[in-house]
Amino acid sequence: DAGVIQSPRHEVTEMGQEVTLRCKPISGHDYLFWYRQTMMRGLELLIYFNNNVPIDDSGMPEDRFSAKMPNASFSTLKIQPSEPRDSAVYFCASSMTGQTEAFFGQGTRLTVV
Amino acid sequence: GIQVEQSPPDLILQEGANSTLRCNFSDSVNNLQWFHQNPWGQLINLFYIPSGTKQNGRLSATTVATERYSLLYISSSQTTDSGVYFCVYRSYGQNFVFGPGTRLSVLP
Repeated sequence: DAGVIQSPRHEVTEMGQEVTLRCKPISGHDYLFWYRQTMMRGLELLIYFNNNVPIDDSGMPEDRFSAKMPNASFSTLKIQPSEPRDSAVYFCASSMTGQTEAFFGQGTRLTVV
Repeated sequence: GIQVEQSPPDLILQEGANSTLRCNFSDSVNNLQWFHQNPWGQLINLFYIPSGTKQNGRLSATTVATERYSLLYISSSQTTDSGVYFCVYRSYGQNFVFGPGTRLSVLP
């Protein structure tokens, strides 16, 4: 397996634009997590899914953020409209029931100008 | 939730030196991982170590779950070891919780 795949690796966008980040988890994993990393707040959980169902979205900062998982092999994190304070590295991770290891993608570095 | 502390927060080593990084928990955890985030930002699994000791090359880790701590040993450090080391546990809510990290700089 190629591991958790995220795209794009880098995204630069203007304030007010819509941004969509994508994630493909490891095949067979039934948990998918979205994290955000900033210098100020470190790594924080935004939302996670189990069997494509959102379980905990309490970390999603506000209504401008939304996440979907239409099937077991794909998830998106959307920011609309984007703001400069959304600039961060966004990580996707996956895991499997019965395992307690997490596997992370390479992250998407988002810059909102 | 369980509080995680890592020490030291920052560490500077000369290449070839050994080091020990520590992770403390406010309550017992039944799982623990160590990650290395390299200078390019990539998060790399080092160890899954809920208890006991594991070794992988120059790195080894020990977790004493009953005393609520874990140690990561780096021997003969290399410049490629630079980055941030995180201990991570999986909460009962199933999400993964990161410690604040130890930033390691290995100088040539």
